[in-house]
Amino acid sequence: GAGVSQTPSNKVTEKGKYVELRCDPISGHTALYWYRQSLGQGPEFLIYFQGTGAADDSGLPNDRFFAVRPEGSVSTLKIQRTERGDSAVYLCASSLEPGGAETQYFGPGTRLLVL
Amino acid sequence: AQSVAQPEDQVNVAEGNPLTVKCTYSVSGNPYLFWYVQYPNRGLQFLLKYITGDNLVKGSYGFEAEFNKSQTSFHLKKPSALVSDSALYFCAVRGRGGGYNKLIFGAGTRLAVHP
Repeated sequence: GAGVSQTPSNKVTEKGKYVELRCDPISGHTALYWYRQSLGQGPEFLIYFQGTGAADDSGLPNDRFFAVRPEGSVSTLKIQRTERGDSAVYLCASSLEPGGAETQYFGPGTRLLVL
Repeated sequence: AQSVAQPEDQVNVAEGNPLTVKCTYSVSGNPYLFWYVQYPNRGLQFLLKYITGDNLVKGSYGFEAEFNKSQTSFHLKKPSALVSDSALYFCAVRGRGGGYNKLIFGAGTRLAVHP
């Protein structure tokens, strides 16, 4: 079946601009996660959705970052007033259910470059 | 606080030889442990996980990992390495109980298998 998909695959923007990154989880998966992976590092957690609500947004670095999942499926990560330090690969993952034993399946990521 | 350490930035092994990629963790209580592999310009692919029970976990592509509670380790192993195993490997931990939804990743270990 189809895996997690993310669009765009690459995004180049200028400092100060607004960007939206989209994630389409595996069909039927109730939990959705966003991570950020900087060069040479492991992914770092940003936010977790259970259904439509953000159950844990403790990883969002500041209030320029926001994410939504209005219908409990597709999610959009929104970054306002982008900074060069926001350049990274943004990964989305989904799992059938929440909970520690569940496997998170990752999408291919969106590579964001802020000039 | 939860943390994962992958002490080796890179592991080099000859094709056909056994390989080990090391991982140690720190978490309160019993952990859930995961290994993922990342190929260039690709997302993370799930390899295997430890939930409970048998300390030796078998996963995809002939990989296995051994959970050692006393040493707080979860090393990834394969009896006979292939050149196609060359990739970036990430160990991740997740605590049990409410609030433990995010994965905490190590920094990654690059595996290079030489013909």
